[in-house]
Formats: sequence, C-alpha cells, structure tokens
Amino acid sequence: DGGITQSPKYLFRKEGQNVTLSCEQNLNHDAMYWYRQDPGQGLRLIYYSQIVNDFQKGDIAEGYSVSREKKESFPLTVTSAQKNPTAFYLCASIYPGAGGDTGELFFGEGSRLTVL
Amino acid sequence: GQNIDQPTEMTATEGAIVQINCTYQTSGFNGLFWYQQHAGEAPTFLSYNVLDGLEEKGRFSSFLSRSKGYSYLLLKELQMKDSASYLCAVRDRTYKYIFGTGTRLKVLA
Repeated sequence: DGGITQSPKYLFRKEGQNVTLSCEQNLNHDAMYWYRQDPGQGLRLIYYSQIVNDFQKGDIAEGYSVSREKKESFPLTVTSAQKNPTAFYLCASIYPGAGGDTGELFFGEGSRLTVL
Repeated sequence: GQNIDQPTEMTATEGAIVQINCTYQTSGFNGLFWYQQHAGEAPTFLSYNVLDGLEEKGRFSSFLSRSKGYSYLLLKELQMKDSASYLCAVRDRTYKYIFGTGTRLKVLA
C-alpha cells in the first residue's frame, strides 16, 4: 500500500547530540514537508521541498537541516543547535497540481523526540 | 507573511451543532483546509475550500470568504468521537501550508 513512513516512532537523545528522522513515501509525490508540534499547539513548518535537490526554510528552520536527494526521501536532522528539540515531528507530502487536487496533505504517523 | 487565528478551546454537547471559526491573512492564497487531530496522532483531512462558499461532506461543512479572510468548520450531530483538535491551514501558491494553533473541541454527554 502507498503511504508515508516515518522512523523511528520514538527517539531519545542526550543534549548535544544530532539525530536524524527518516521520512519515506511511495506515493510518487513531488512535495514533502516537515512540521513540529509541541503539546497543545498547532503544526509549525520547519522545511519543505517541492522537488528533488531543492528545499525552502519554513518558519522555524533554525537548528534543523534537511536533504532531498531522492524523490521518495526527505530526512530531517535535528542538530545540537536546536535549543528545545523535544517535540512531535510530522512529515507530509502532496502531488502539487494533480488533476482533481483536493489539497490533502498526506501525513506520516510522526516521530516523538525526547531530549534527556 | 501568513497569520491564522482560531479559538483555543470549545465545548459542546453530544447531538448539538458547533461552528469553529478561522481568520487568516496571507499573500498568494491558494486554498484553505481543515484537519482533525486526535491526541498523539497525525492529522486527518476533513475539507478543502479554494472558492467562496460552502462545501458539505456528511456531518461536516466548511465555508470560505476570501474577501473577509474567514472560514468556519461546522460539525452537526456531534458525537463523542468528535472530541479532538481541529486545525485550520492555509496554502499559498508555492504550496507552503501554514497551520493555525488548533481548536480543542470537547464533546460532553
């Protein structure tokens, strides 16, 4: 079945360590997104990519990095420069401009990162 | 830039109707979306409006007025399972999606 897979689902990290969250999709979608969600809050955009080898910063990109070397993959690295990284991270994708576009973002199940 | 406002929390009774409002400011508007999110889960898509007017889908309807920068989500015949957060999101022409902070809806028996 087609979908978006995020891994790991739960991750613990010590302060000062970098960590990479994986996001893979087999929906043939061009655009991919990373969001951060804190308890009781909405989703805040970290980075998004409309096409391979290109990506743009969202509203809270500081302390994060991404790459888009393949259409299917959009990994997010949480660096030690991110001061408060404990959060729920969501990856999403869409096929922009598709016929009958409903605008629906397809989400992965999320990765919950806790910094100890 | 983009800015989205929606109420933080609402309470309603099972079987009733509730309206969740969303106001937004954006450049290059290219659609408004509503998502439902249960605690600890990913959001699920509810509706999409790009033209003014009402879109109905079962118990859920969504309305858009582009000139006023205003949308609402209407939930009818509320059920206990509708207790969740409801997220309003706006898309611009670069396909950047920005979400509001969400409205937590509590449905009481």
